Amino acid sequence: AQSVTQPDIHITVSEGASLELRCNYSYGATPYLFWYVQSPGQGLQLLLKYFSGDTLVQGIKGFEAEFKRSQSSFNLRKPSVHWSDAAEYFCAVATTNFGNEKLTFGTGTRLTIIP
Amino acid sequence: DGGITQSPKYLFRKEGQNVTLSCEQNLNHDAMYWYRQDPGQGLRLIYYSQIVNDFQKGDIAEGYSVSREKKESFPLTVTSAQKNPTAFYLCASSNPRESSSYNSPLHFGNGTRLTVT
Repeated sequence: AQSVTQPDIHITVSEGASLELRCNYSYGATPYLFWYVQSPGQGLQLLLKYFSGDTLVQGIKGFEAEFKRSQSSFNLRKPSVHWSDAAEYFCAVATTNFGNEKLTFGTGTRLTIIP
Repeated sequence: DGGITQSPKYLFRKEGQNVTLSCEQNLNHDAMYWYRQDPGQGLRLIYYSQIVNDFQKGDIAEGYSVSREKKESFPLTVTSAQKNPTAFYLCASSNPRESSSYNSPLHFGNGTRLTVT
């Protein structure tokens, strides 16, 4: 079975600084990878997804992620964070393109932005 | 605007009572899902439905039940058999026809926080 690990439970970044959130997955073949963001008390919103092709994926709100097969990673990056980026971020992996019921979520990384 | 509506936002119940959480979508999506979220854990799938009048158990279905009588509605009942019902419950939907892949993005509601005492 596939699994996904987000090693950082909580990250604090200064506004305007760069950001990288880590995500490692475990799966033998090429996975389908996602990053979702959750604001407090809200549902999740898709930031970006990787299915195949270019390993650098652009998403909404200025986020990007890079798929590195050799490291089994799909880290999320943003060059300059804004206070509104404070939220919880979830990496997710699916092993099939047949339905979200095969989607496995990581435990999340909470991002705090300081002025 | 299209979206998913979950109600109520907060729900309080006494132990031993069944409670039903509402989820309605006007996105015309075929597939709907119920997730449970606990602090420090990722989302765990409770039940899902890919089409009206059909649904399947997810990873943690014990103590829960669902129905899918209409395309736009997918209510979740938390029964008294659920040992730890206090949690944040998220409903989501997706439509495979939305993208070139069946793994189309999940659209989430804003959740219902259930507290059982």
